[in-house]
Amino acid sequence: QSVLTQPPSVSGAPGQRVTISCTGSSSNIGAGYDVHWYQQSPGTAPKLLIFANSNRPSGVPDRFSASKSGTSASLAITGLQAEDEADYYCQSCDSNLSVLFGGGTKLTVL
Amino acid sequence: EVQVVESGGGLVKPGGSLRLSCAASGFTFSRYSMNWVRQAPGKGLEWVSSISSSGSYMYYADSVKGRFSVSRDNAKNSLYLQMNSLRAEDTALYYCARHLNSTMVSPCGYWGQGVLVTVSS
Repeated sequence: QSVLTQPPSVSGAPGQRVTISCTGSSSNIGAGYDVHWYQQSPGTAPKLLIFANSNRPSGVPDRFSASKSGTSASLAITGLQAEDEADYYCQSCDSNLSVLFGGGTKLTVL
Repeated sequence: EVQVVESGGGLVKPGGSLRLSCAASGFTFSRYSMNWVRQAPGKGLEWVSSISSSGSYMYYADSVKGRFSVSRDNAKNSLYLQMNSLRAEDTALYYCARHLNSTMVSPCGYWGQGVLVTVSS
């Protein structure tokens, strides 16, 4: 059971918008630690998608956005494309500098 | 180009030991903290261990504390994970990952392709 809670799966049709939530607690996200998001396509290593709550690394399309509020965070993907089908993970830290991952959300593009 | 390449995986019996290595290139290794993250077959990501840039500070997940030991050799641009008393539940793909910047709370910005560890009799 992950400390950060994500929905196991979400789905959407091409062109639609989907969101993925990440719920933590006052010990991690709510304590002010940043939330980061990763995308993992089948058979590949995770790729950093969003860092420090809402920042996109170079090369990540602006169809991906994220936000953080209180003890939760969310990732939004607009204009869904077939290539977006992947697993998505949120990540934060706690005061012990433990790295915390969400359980992951499988995105299916219908 | 930043690269991290894991090696040392394989099949080991329960109770056995294995040492993973991660060779880093394309950046000043001694300036960055590093992580080991694992992924069991069909499961999600699980953080295993972190080590500070100097090697002075090490952090472990509760699931491996007392059994695994992380270290680094900045002169050799290498990260290591010594795994002892291995259990079936340690079976996973083990990733070496570099923090995005020099702080230990920054995300894992660069990942290797992973090395498979299988614990089975």
